[in-house]
Amino acid sequence: TQLLEQSPQFLSIQEGENLTVYCNSSSVFSSLQWYRQEPGEGPVLLVTVVTGGEVKKLKRLTFQFGDARKDSSLHITAAQPGDTGLYLCAGAQDSNYQLIWGAGTKLIIKP
Amino acid sequence: EAQVTQNPRYLITVTGKKLTVTCSQNMNHEYMSWYRQDPGLGLRQIYYSMNVEVTDKGDVPEGYKVSRKEKRNFPLILESPSPNQTSLYFCASSLSLSITGELFFGEGSRLTVL
Repeated sequence: TQLLEQSPQFLSIQEGENLTVYCNSSSVFSSLQWYRQEPGEGPVLLVTVVTGGEVKKLKRLTFQFGDARKDSSLHITAAQPGDTGLYLCAGAQDSNYQLIWGAGTKLIIKP
Repeated sequence: EAQVTQNPRYLITVTGKKLTVTCSQNMNHEYMSWYRQDPGLGLRQIYYSMNVEVTDKGDVPEGYKVSRKEKRNFPLILESPSPNQTSLYFCASSLSLSITGELFFGEGSRLTVL
């Protein structure tokens, strides 16, 4: 079974701090997506990374795809309470395009 | 407004009483999928459909059925629900399945089986 492991599982920090969430696997992925899920809602796509080493920025969020396309990270600068949510990574492989999901990182930003 | 609509949002039922969770999308998407979300386990795929009349099992299909008679609808059927099917269910759709395809999710259906 191919796994995507996310760490940490849970993170609670103060507003203004920086943080990094990791998504790791022993498998190679053609692409990796990050979704954010808020309570009572479905996940919403934040970004898709496709090329090894690719870095994408979305305001204070920086996403990186590992050179070998086996891992990814999400870095948040100066976290805000609005960043609170469950962050999910999902990888796709050429073989069947079905997404393989990480278990998620629950992030709480305290004012 | 482009959206995926699930009903019901909340349901409490008893073991063995058949139920259907409906899912409808208005984006003319080919691909639709059902997931269940349980604490610490993330999203697990139950069934998916690449197009009308084409459905396939995901990772956890036991105890569930689906159908895709129309492009916009993809109902999830629990013929004889059991307590281990208590979970949060999400329907999702995508224009097509590709390595960059974006999944659009419904708001979820929280099911409790007593």
